[in-house]
Amino acid sequence: SQQGEEDPQALSIQEGENATMNCSYKTSINNLQWYRQNSGRGLVHLILIRSNEREKHSGRLRVTLDTSKKSSSLLITASRAADTASYFCARGDNDYKLSFGAGTTVTVRA
Amino acid sequence: DAGITQSPRYKITETGRQVTLMCHQTWSHSYMFWYRQDLGHGLRLIYYSAAADITDKGEVPDGYVVSRSKTENFPLTLESATRSQTSVYFCASRSTGSANYGYTFGSGTRLTVV
Repeated sequence: SQQGEEDPQALSIQEGENATMNCSYKTSINNLQWYRQNSGRGLVHLILIRSNEREKHSGRLRVTLDTSKKSSSLLITASRAADTASYFCARGDNDYKLSFGAGTTVTVRA
Repeated sequence: DAGITQSPRYKITETGRQVTLMCHQTWSHSYMFWYRQDLGHGLRLIYYSAAADITDKGEVPDGYVVSRSKTENFPLTLESATRSQTSVYFCASRSTGSANYGYTFGSGTRLTVV
């Protein structure tokens, strides 16, 4: 069973626009991570936010975490064609395992 | 990423055959993982290992066997392949210490069971 559920399942935006995707989870976490997967490739770690953090930035990425609502969001600002990919959230347990959601597919139109 | 290598990249096998997927990492990461990725299911954990000779079941271990005699290698064996095991398999590793580290993934093995 998936411990992280992304919303929406798919997103299509124009280049230069912002993309926002959300992740909900059911049980307590040690951290919440976001990964990107380009077609036919492995997953690439983007950003990790700890359970005691509320917001984190990395370049054009902004992640928020609301542990009271058991949810997180990933914002990609000023999107580019190269941002076209699937994005996964993953719940980090205390014992180093990760549980992944089904992902959000983002398409950036030129 | 060149630090974690999966082989083969593609594999077609017949139902009932044994097949082994290889995973090799060059960082001496203690933790290694095997996931399968299927449409509509995201990634599901098959087996994981905290160190050499220490392995444990994940969410979907049935039909799979792992071993870890050396820190750098973590092969996954399908003892008797079934069509339901057609999937993309990803190996991942993580460094020791705090749980607040991301995984590094291999490029995956696309397995088709016919």
